[in-house]
Amino acid sequence: DTAVSQTPKYLVTQMGNDKSIKCEQNLGHDTMYWYKQDSKKFLKIMFSYNNKELIINETVPNRFSPKSPDKAHLNLHINSLELGDSAVYFCASSPAGRGQYFGPGTRLTVT
Amino acid sequence: GIQVEQSPPDLILQEGANSTLRCNFSDSVNNLQWFHQNPWGQLINLFYIPSGTKQNGRLSATTVATERYSLLYISSSQTTDSGVYFCAVAIAGGGADGLTFGKGTHLIIQP
Repeated sequence: DTAVSQTPKYLVTQMGNDKSIKCEQNLGHDTMYWYKQDSKKFLKIMFSYNNKELIINETVPNRFSPKSPDKAHLNLHINSLELGDSAVYFCASSPAGRGQYFGPGTRLTVT
Repeated sequence: GIQVEQSPPDLILQEGANSTLRCNFSDSVNNLQWFHQNPWGQLINLFYIPSGTKQNGRLSATTVATERYSLLYISSSQTTDSGVYFCAVAIAGGGADGLTFGKGTHLIIQP
C-alpha cells in the first residue's frame, strides 16, 4: 500500500494551459505539503496544509493554488503554465512534530 | 531563513568503502531528516533525527543539535547506494514547518 501517492507521474503540457496534480495520503497525518525540485535538484517548500488550513506560502506565484478537499488529499492547481514551471513536484505528509514522508513525485514539462 | 550546507557535494567511492556525509545548519531545529534520492528520482526517508544517534543496517546518523551539525555514515557501500543524499531541517517553533533542504551530496559507488 502506497502511503503518499501522486497522480499523474508525468505531465507534459503547453504554455498557457491549466493543470492539476493530485496527492493522497493514507497515513492519517495532519499536515500535507507541496515541494518543487528544479533542474539542479534543489528542493523548496511551496505550501503546507494543516487540518485544511493553509499554513505556509513561500512566495509562490498566485498561479499556483493548493486545494484540500479533506485531510487525506492536497491537490495542486496551476494556471497559465510557464516554461519555468517545468520541474518535479513532490507531495509530502507528516504527523504533528515528526518527520515528513514524500510521494513519488510528478514530473511536469511545459513546452 | 535557516541555512543548510552539505559536504562534500560529490563523492565517488569503490564498492565496499565507508563514507561520512556532513550537514551543517545555522539555527536551532526541531526536525532534521536525511533522504536518499535514487536514480529514479524517488525520495526515500533514511532517518528522522533532530538529535542523538540512530542506526539502520549499514546506515547510521548522528545529530549534535547544540553544535548544529549532523553526520550520515554509510558502511560497506553498495552500488545501490548511489544517488543524492539530502539533509533537510525545520526550525524550532512548532506548527506546520516546511523542510529547508541542503543542496545534497551526489554519491557514486563504482563496482
